Amino acid sequence: ETGVTQTPRHLVMGMTNKKSLKCEQHLGHNAMYWYKQSAKKPLELMFVYNFKEQTENNSVPSRFSPECPNSSHLFLHLHTLQPEDSALYLCASSLSDVNTEAFFGQGTRLTVV
Amino acid sequence: QKEVEQDPGPLSVPEGAIVSLNCTYSNSAFQYFMWYRQYSRKGPELLMYTYSSGNKEDGRFTAQVDKSSKYISLFIRDSQPSDSATYLCAMSGNLGNGGYNKLIFGAGTRLAVHP
Repeated sequence: ETGVTQTPRHLVMGMTNKKSLKCEQHLGHNAMYWYKQSAKKPLELMFVYNFKEQTENNSVPSRFSPECPNSSHLFLHLHTLQPEDSALYLCASSLSDVNTEAFFGQGTRLTVV
Repeated sequence: QKEVEQDPGPLSVPEGAIVSLNCTYSNSAFQYFMWYRQYSRKGPELLMYTYSSGNKEDGRFTAQVDKSSKYISLFIRDSQPSDSATYLCAMSGNLGNGGYNKLIFGAGTRLAVHP
């Protein structure tokens, strides 16, 4: 248990569905991240939030929409996804976006059908 | 050229062997260097966190950073079957994107330690 909790652990959705991934951290951190992990590829940084403000959008398609209501919670809203979006989506947190000693959640395994 | 290069393996060693895992990088702005371990179907777990050049030891694990060669290593002594996992190197620094440090990962090396 790393103090970063992601739900759901697994998600299967159709291309026309709308769903949301949730991340919660209990570490008192101020920065939160979304990463995408596909087979045989490095983790891809998607979004960075620092003190609830987005500091990085790594050219992510608009079908992925992040939301950070406070420093402890992070959401990733999904709509009209493509099969190639199937991957493990990982949430992480760190003390700040300058201190990148990051701790990860267990991830959400997403399958788009 | 990728910012961080890491041999994906797989690397297979007998129990008790010394394992050496390595990454190279191209951007001299990286200042913080990390190693993560990821078991199948789990999130990455932070193993080692180091700043700038030098060595850091934690039990059976030793992390080395050589900034002059842009090369980092993780050594595992007396390897155990429970060490079988994918090991990810990661590094961060201000890459000119703004006031924050961007964390970049290698592709990961899959390690198998057999009894």
